[in-house]
Amino acid sequence: QVQLVQSGAEVKKPGSSVKVSCKASGGTFSTFSISWVRQVPGEGLEWMGRIVPILGTPIYSQRFQGRVTITADTSTSTVYMELSSLRSEDTAVYYCARDLRWFDPWGQGTLVTVSS
Amino acid sequence: EIVLTQSPGTLSLSPGERATLSCRASHSVVSDYLAWYQQKPGQAPRLLIYHASSRATGIPDRFSASGSATDFTLTISRLEPEDFALYFCQQYGSSPTSFGQGTKLEIK
Repeated sequence: QVQLVQSGAEVKKPGSSVKVSCKASGGTFSTFSISWVRQVPGEGLEWMGRIVPILGTPIYSQRFQGRVTITADTSTSTVYMELSSLRSEDTAVYYCARDLRWFDPWGQGTLVTVSS
Repeated sequence: EIVLTQSPGTLSLSPGERATLSCRASHSVVSDYLAWYQQKPGQAPRLLIYHASSRATGIPDRFSASGSATDFTLTISRLEPEDFALYFCQQYGSSPTSFGQGTKLEIK
C-alpha cells in the first residue's frame, strides 16, 4: 500500500525558507495527487496546496499563494513543499497526504519551528 | 470557503458508551463530500469515513457516520480505550477543502 515518509524536523529563523520532502512508496506515484496540510499547535488543519506529479502543475490555497512552492521529482517519487518568508505563526506540523479529495494516507508529519 | 463547526469541543465519556460527534457546515456540502479523521497525540490523522458514510479500509464497524447538506454525524457505537482521540471533519465538495476545528473525545 502507499506509504509517505517525510523529512525531519526543522528550526528556522524568521524571514527564511524551509523545504520539506515527502517520499512515496507503493502505488503509482506519478498519478497520485499529493497535498500538503499544516497543523498549528493546538489548532485545526489547514490545506496549503497540491500537485499531481505527472502533470507538474501545482494548485495553491489563496492563503499561501506567493509564499508556498510545491514541486515533484518523479525519478525519486518525492514531493517537496517550500515555504518562504517564515514568521513565528508558521510554527506547525506539516503533513503530506495522498489527495483523493479526502486524504489517505498521511505522512508522519514534519515539525517546523520558526524562532529567532 | 465553507466553514465547518464541530461540536462539542470536548466530549467526556466512558469505555462502552456511545459517542455522537457533530459537524455542521456554513453552506451545503456538495454531493455530501465529507470525511472524518481520527488523530492521536503525536500521530498523523487517520481516515475513518469518506463520502459522508463510507468506512475506510480497516476501520471497525463500531464507527459509522451519516448526514447530508449541512449536518453530519460521526457515531462510535461502543467506545474502546483506543478510541479516545481527536476527531476532525473535512469537506471536499467545494474549493478550497476545509476542516473543522476538532472534537476531543476524552475518558470520563
